[in-house]
Amino acid sequence: DTGVSQDPRHKITKRGQNVTFRCDPISEHNRLYWYRQTLGQGPEFLTYFQNEAQLEKSRLLSDRFSAERPKGSFSTLEIQRTEQGDSAMYLCASSLEGLGFPSLNNEQFFGPGTRLTVL
Amino acid sequence: GIQVEQSPPDLILQEGANSTLRCNFSDSVNNLQWFHQNPWGQLINLFYIPSGTKQNGRLSATTVATERYSLLYISSSQTTDSGVYFCAVDSGGSNYKLTFGKGTLLTVNP
Repeated sequence: DTGVSQDPRHKITKRGQNVTFRCDPISEHNRLYWYRQTLGQGPEFLTYFQNEAQLEKSRLLSDRFSAERPKGSFSTLEIQRTEQGDSAMYLCASSLEGLGFPSLNNEQFFGPGTRLTVL
Repeated sequence: GIQVEQSPPDLILQEGANSTLRCNFSDSVNNLQWFHQNPWGQLINLFYIPSGTKQNGRLSATTVATERYSLLYISSSQTTDSGVYFCAVDSGGSNYKLTFGKGTLLTVNP
């Protein structure tokens, strides 16, 4: 399977613990995104990488959240001191910058998500 | 930021019926995508359609960018079509992030 993969698929943790999620994008995709989805809502943008550079972070991403994409391949999203409000589905997506018209070709493909439950 | 509104929020159909889902957006867009979210949460790409019309089997989509709306048509619906349908847009800028609507929950009864 050459799609976007995420690990783990489910995570249950106690309030105050740290958690880390991993995303492996489609190979050769240079853009990688993290989104968060709560019940009954559409996904909301968290952060974006172009290769290894983190170019934007949403206001939703408090200082307890950190994301990395070393070497421009897989990415990790860490949440420190988890709170019950962090319970959500965390989705990763990737896309390939279009040749010639980089802003006009950005079809994003999503992974299966990591469902986080904070007790 | 750009606003995305989807209608209807909920839709119940009998198997075999046709339906139209609508997505309105508040500003010009570079990209527009339709997704189907299955019961396990996976977002499945249906269409990448910033403008024009596309068809894929029983599904088709039309985006009228100048009037800031997109339509998703489902014909001869099947129970496996059930789930949430999302419209998402990229309004440009340097990060290409998608802004999603709240979705349409489709239930197809046998």
